[in-house]
Amino acid sequence: AQKVTQAQTEISVVEKEDVTLDCVYETRDTTYYLFWYKQPPSGELVFLIRRNSFDEQNEISGRYSWNFQKSTSSFNFTITASQVVDSAVYVCALIGQGGSEKLVFGKGTKLTVNP
Amino acid sequence: DAGVIQSPRHEVTEMGQEVTLRCKPISGHDYLFWYRQTMMRGLELLIYFNNNVPIDDSGMPEDRFSAKMPNASFSTLKIQPSEPRDSAVYFCASSPPSTLIYNEQFFGPGTRLTVL
Repeated sequence: AQKVTQAQTEISVVEKEDVTLDCVYETRDTTYYLFWYKQPPSGELVFLIRRNSFDEQNEISGRYSWNFQKSTSSFNFTITASQVVDSAVYVCALIGQGGSEKLVFGKGTKLTVNP
Repeated sequence: DAGVIQSPRHEVTEMGQEVTLRCKPISGHDYLFWYRQTMMRGLELLIYFNNNVPIDDSGMPEDRFSAKMPNASFSTLKIQPSEPRDSAVYFCASSPPSTLIYNEQFFGPGTRLTVL
């Protein structure tokens, strides 16, 4: 069975702080894809990144960076110098190229960035 | 280009009533997904279609739920009869063709359903 765990239910930081959102996954598939989505208060899910299991390079996009470590089955997301507009629920997801080809989501981490 | 369109955005109904949620995927996308989001369970896949054909409906909670995709530009999710535990946000998503069940899924704004 595939599973995504986001242990942090809610995080609150002050603007300009760095914050890391944890994502731990379980899968038996050797090929799989990991995703992060942002869900702002308006409700829609906005795609942030997709990573396949053969690419362990970290990725940086502006203030956002992702650390993929297969050894610990983690795909963590860091926001540097957080801003109020980063306040949202962030959801990590996994899909395996194997028996069950369904996108499995974590329960999300609600990030609040205070001014 | 328009994104995924869902209607209605909000629906309040009474227990026992029929509810129909609607979705228009992005033009050219041939995968369509229906998800449900609750505080307790997070996002769950209910059913997905490829080229208008239901591929996996194992996430549909029970016979009260049904989904159809009569053509490439329209899908419905129906709950009959509705129950208070069906209260949730229902999302529709679509993704482009090829092998790309693994591709980025584009989500609609969701329908917030409240069953009293």
